Amino acid sequence: DAKTTQPPSMDCAEGRAANLPCNHSTISGNEYVYWYRQIHSQGPQYIIHGLKNNETNEMASLIITEDRKSSTLILPHATLRDTAVYYCIVRVEKGGKLIFGQGTELSVKP
Amino acid sequence: GAGVSQSPSNKVTEKGKDVELRCDPISGHTALYWYRQSLGQGLEFLIYFQGNSAPDKSGLPSDRFSAERTGGSVSTLTIQRTQQEDSAVYLCASSFDRASYNEQFFGPGTRLTVL
Repeated sequence: DAKTTQPPSMDCAEGRAANLPCNHSTISGNEYVYWYRQIHSQGPQYIIHGLKNNETNEMASLIITEDRKSSTLILPHATLRDTAVYYCIVRVEKGGKLIFGQGTELSVKP
Repeated sequence: GAGVSQSPSNKVTEKGKDVELRCDPISGHTALYWYRQSLGQGLEFLIYFQGNSAPDKSGLPSDRFSAERTGGSVSTLTIQRTQQEDSAVYLCASSFDRASYNEQFFGPGTRLTVL
């Protein structure tokens, strides 16, 4: 079973920041938080991951709370092409399967 | 560079027939994964190959499903005696499986329809 909880859907206005929450209250000390997204009719795409420090790359920022029980993925300037299902996954760093939950369906609207 | 490729992109078969789905991972990737996604369902792990280690088959739903990875590269997922509930998009992914992190790169999938 997935170890994360996400809202099933969210809306965001184009050009605004999209903040996608994820609860992972049972995360273990050696587990990372990974985010993937799946645009309609495509395979999932890696976005970002982190352990306990906040992370930023060209796609997004990841904010992890100090107790590591929750995190937020931030798309700073959402575009229509960011409309997708976003999956938050916790896993050990190296190797192995991804366990996908239901994710959050983000709709970016003009 | 080339990403993960899968063939065929679409496959329609009759109930009871066997099907083979192919995955070509990114060159040099040591790990290969199969997942499936049924209509309206989430992504479900099926099987994982890592180098020469024994594969993790814990996600295969029944003994009608099998997979092999020849020469550490191309993989084939075989479904015998297909059933209607096997209809889904079958996704393949590969990764380096290095110590730093494990980003899985997914292919476009094969859409299987069992009539």
